[in-house]
Amino acid sequence: DTEVTQTPKHLVMGMTNKKSLKCEQHMGHRAMYWYKQKAKKPPELMFVYSYEKLSINESVPSRFSPECPNSSLLNLHLHALQPEDSALYLCASSLQPSAAEAFFGQGTRLTVV
Amino acid sequence: KQEVTQIPAALSVPEGENLVLNCSFTDSAIYNLQWFRQDPGKGLTSLLLIQSSQREQTSGRLNASLDKSSGRSTLYIAASQPGDSATYLCAMSLSGGSNYKLTFGKGTLLTVNP
Repeated sequence: DTEVTQTPKHLVMGMTNKKSLKCEQHMGHRAMYWYKQKAKKPPELMFVYSYEKLSINESVPSRFSPECPNSSLLNLHLHALQPEDSALYLCASSLQPSAAEAFFGQGTRLTVV
Repeated sequence: KQEVTQIPAALSVPEGENLVLNCSFTDSAIYNLQWFRQDPGKGLTSLLLIQSSQREQTSGRLNASLDKSSGRSTLYIAASQPGDSATYLCAMSLSGGSNYKLTFGKGTLLTVNP
């Protein structure tokens, strides 16, 4: 099983809403990542979790709040977002932070209105 | 700062043709290089991974090569099929403290015409 599962697939939220994106993997990977991808652009790294601890925050605004409840789950809590935050949010995992192959989920298409 | 460039930006070929997608990078101290496929509005599917000590990897009709000295990688697709139509992204991580981070090229949009 090389699957990373993201929910929901699509999300529309207002600028005053609070919502969460979820990501799950059962490959025993100890590194999990959030990437953001704007239309016709490559993915850009947001956060890295290593052994359930936040190890990297790529200067992401505080309206994005990641959480790793256990080794299989990764959440991204959203609050007070702006329309320019509309994008495809991708979760990925790898065996370890410095390990080779990264596996990505199908993404959550977020629209902020 | 590592920069990754993919050429061409778009490619249209008839079914059955063999083709090569190119990826170049500025920093030769790479940790690994990974090729992905992305269908419109979807996530990334890992195709091939080449570690820094390797020169090439093969999976079915796909072959990826890595030449660190010239800063290039190629993805060769044999006997292309309409189902191969997608955006192909190369991504790499650097050796050292940043080896967790994938830096992506902008991708090549491939269309295979029946």
